[in-house]
Amino acid sequence: EAGVAQSPRYKIIEKRQSVAFWCNPISGHATLYWYQQILGQGPKLLIQFQNNGVVDDSQLPKDRFSAERLKGVDSTLKIQPAKLEDSAVYLCASSPRTGGEETQYFGPGTRLLVL
Amino acid sequence: SQQGEEDPQALSIQEGENATMNCSYKTSINNLQWYRQNSGRGLVHLILIRSNEREKHSGRLRVTLDTSKKSSSLLITASRAADTASYFCATSEGGSNYKLTFGKGTLLTVNP
Repeated sequence: EAGVAQSPRYKIIEKRQSVAFWCNPISGHATLYWYQQILGQGPKLLIQFQNNGVVDDSQLPKDRFSAERLKGVDSTLKIQPAKLEDSAVYLCASSPRTGGEETQYFGPGTRLLVL
Repeated sequence: SQQGEEDPQALSIQEGENATMNCSYKTSINNLQWYRQNSGRGLVHLILIRSNEREKHSGRLRVTLDTSKKSSSLLITASRAADTASYFCATSEGGSNYKLTFGKGTLLTVNP
């Protein structure tokens, strides 16, 4: 079974530029999560999708961050415009949502550096 | 905001020794999970313990949960150099969205 795929793996941009990250979850997983992990800290949930609907985006800075999950499969996370403090690893995770344990399966992440 | 707080922040041991990491949290939970993160990689799920369980084992891992003290511990026995990683506890409050809230993690270094 293929794992969660993310691209790109690394991105360097200048502040005020735009950037987009892509995630392909494990096949059949209904729930998809985007996390931001700043160096030295644990992951912080940005947005959670159930199929193609948003379940929780309470910690998403909506003035600059946006995310979508078309057709309930792939997802993209966009930052426009980027700030220096957006430098972090952006992790995508998915879970099957079978009603039992909610183990999350993580992708390798995209490391973003904003100069 | 982060729910779990791991202790210690960093731990360095010799191969073969046991490693114990602790996690404290603030609110009632449905379950608590431990994840491992190798440098530059994504997180890998290790073990989940439900709020009505007190102890759980998986291979060299032993997790305990004390809901009265709102704390959990992760014990790795007979550590190996490959166990070098950051370890995070994550809590789920249940409800309809199964949201996980992660702590800041413990960086474990196992020296050969």
